[in-house]
Amino acid sequence: AQSVTQLDSHVSVSEGTPVLLRCNYSSSYSPSLFWYVQHPNKGLQLLLKYTSAATLVKGINGFEAEFKKSETSFHLTKPSAHMSDAAEYFCVVSRLGDDKIIFGKGTRLHILP
Amino acid sequence: DGGITQSPKYLFRKEGQNVTLSCEQNLNHDAMYWYRQDPGQGLRLIYYSQIVNDFQKGDIAEGYSVSREKKESFPLTVTSAQKNPTAFYLCASSMWLPGLPTLNNEQFFGPGTRLTVL
Repeated sequence: AQSVTQLDSHVSVSEGTPVLLRCNYSSSYSPSLFWYVQHPNKGLQLLLKYTSAATLVKGINGFEAEFKKSETSFHLTKPSAHMSDAAEYFCVVSRLGDDKIIFGKGTRLHILP
Repeated sequence: DGGITQSPKYLFRKEGQNVTLSCEQNLNHDAMYWYRQDPGQGLRLIYYSQIVNDFQKGDIAEGYSVSREKKESFPLTVTSAQKNPTAFYLCASSMWLPGLPTLNNEQFFGPGTRLTVL
């Protein structure tokens, strides 16, 4: 069975400091992994996607994530937080072969002035 | 502008009534999806459709029904059989490449409909 765990339900950082949102997954086969962002009362927008190419994936708005198979992790990072980054972030895993997708429960990112 | 529209933005319903949520896309995507979002729960898949006149149940299909008569439209009906329908409902679409799993592709989301049962 596959699953995805976002290790923090809330993360607070000061503006201009680094962001780290943690995601661990379990999957019997090579997964596809995604990070989506959701601003309040809006739909989700894709930040980045991993599909077995380069392990370091660069996304929009300065975000990137590194796929670490040995640690089964896909953490999202950004070098310097901006106030506009305040939102909820979802880590998503899908598995080639059985056409199933699982969303993490989300991490709400708060940016302190 | 290409995108996905959902209407209405807010919807109120009395217990025991069916209600239909609209989802339209002009991205020429073959696949469409309905999700339910509850606080602290992430998104859960209700139904999805890869092509017109075909759809599959997701993880929480009970109490919901869908139709896919046109490529652009994928309405969701919340029936009176759904025990706890108050939630935020999100519609999404994606390309479908034959031979590849639908759910591996990037999904584009609508702005959502917040349904409240009174």
